Amino acid sequence: QQPVQSPQAVILREGEDAVINCSSSKALYSVHWYRQKHGEAPVFLMILLKGGEQKGHEKISASFNEKKQQSSLYLTASQLSYSGTYFCGTDPGNQFYFGTGTSLTVIP
Amino acid sequence: EAQVTQNPRYLITVTGKKLTVTCSQNMNHEYMSWYRQDPGLGLRQIYYSMNVEVTDKGDVPEGYKVSRKEKRNFPLILESPSPNQTSLYFCASSLYRNTEAFFGQGTRLTVV
Repeated sequence: QQPVQSPQAVILREGEDAVINCSSSKALYSVHWYRQKHGEAPVFLMILLKGGEQKGHEKISASFNEKKQQSSLYLTASQLSYSGTYFCGTDPGNQFYFGTGTSLTVIP
Repeated sequence: EAQVTQNPRYLITVTGKKLTVTCSQNMNHEYMSWYRQDPGLGLRQIYYSMNVEVTDKGDVPEGYKVSRKEKRNFPLILESPSPNQTSLYFCASSLYRNTEAFFGQGTRLTVV
């Protein structure tokens, strides 16, 4: 029931865009996105609660297709501070499942 | 300051010696969880609690116990640790299951 993320890793130059995908085999109530920097705890980015809803602020946004049980995280005009591992999280029931993560590295 | 506090941050122990990792939150959150993080496997939920005295198994509960006697505390107990429980552990709390989760700083456990 762990959601599948793709790609596993991506390297960007500053200013480039990236998309991280998250797919679940189970019906979802919500999708969460977190970022974890090396040696630190995960930090919340956003939650999407309804199908098709797009949320975000500044240059990081996400969409959630409830029917397809998929979510995508969009990072535009990437900055060095965006580097880290991104996790999606899903809750098909009372349990919570995180994906295996996408390592994103932004280079100058 | 709103926070989740885990202790200890680092722990090296021997196989079979019982240990407890403490977790406390000061945000009056209902939902609390324990996760373990292993390379390539992401974060996997061990146990969760919907409220006081209500706990349930997550994805990888074998070898662990929890209790939720008070709303703020959610300790993780390893009755007889084994080397395959060597991992990075995170406690997290959120108002409800589908709201923003706040994580503790993590406990790096090594069982030899």
